[in-house]
Amino acid sequence: NAGVTQTPKFRVLKTGQSMTLLCAQDMNHEYMYWYRQDPGMGLRLIHYSVGEGTTAKGEVPDGYNVSRLKKQNFLLGLESAAPSQTSVYFCASSTWGGMGNEQFFGPGTRLTVL
Amino acid sequence: KQEVTQIPAALSVPEGENLVLNCSFTDSAIYNLQWFRQDPGKGLTSLLLIQSSQREQTSGRLNASLDKSSGRSTLYIAASQPGDSATYLCAVGQAGTALIFGKGTTLSVSS
Repeated sequence: NAGVTQTPKFRVLKTGQSMTLLCAQDMNHEYMYWYRQDPGMGLRLIHYSVGEGTTAKGEVPDGYNVSRLKKQNFLLGLESAAPSQTSVYFCASSTWGGMGNEQFFGPGTRLTVL
Repeated sequence: KQEVTQIPAALSVPEGENLVLNCSFTDSAIYNLQWFRQDPGKGLTSLLLIQSSQREQTSGRLNASLDKSSGRSTLYIAASQPGDSATYLCAVGQAGTALIFGKGTTLSVSS
């Protein structure tokens, strides 16, 4: 039982390049989330999904797209990376979004955009 | 809009001391509150989850309390150890799906 895994762990991009971050969970969780963590800002929600085939915007969605084609995977895409997207990205999952919303986090992806 | 505040931002204590980390939130309409630990360069590890109907939760040397009406939670760490050095984050769960995080308290325990 690996829990929540993220690939890659580190990545350096040039401005304008694109990339996809992959999140996978093996806990059969319905809900999945993408957060970014920046110094002095805490963790902020980018996008989330309440089930396979669904996605919704969080607090800071601009510049990102997501897809949830399979229940166990949640992809975060950057179409044209900008230096402002330099951050640590965390994926999380939970069984549901209301009562008992205990979220389990992956180890993070450190992204630098030059 | 819910706001979560953690005070102090940083704390240094000698080994063996008992300590309290504070978390406050502005909207008492929460489902639960979760405390996390984050080591430098690492992900978040869930420590304790308190449902809105509960007053406290305990795990080993950790005890978390919740006073929903006053918008406060505390994380009590007994007999602190150097291995407790980390950043501690609190997050509240509300209607919808996202957790709302505080900015954390960075704890340093010296031997």
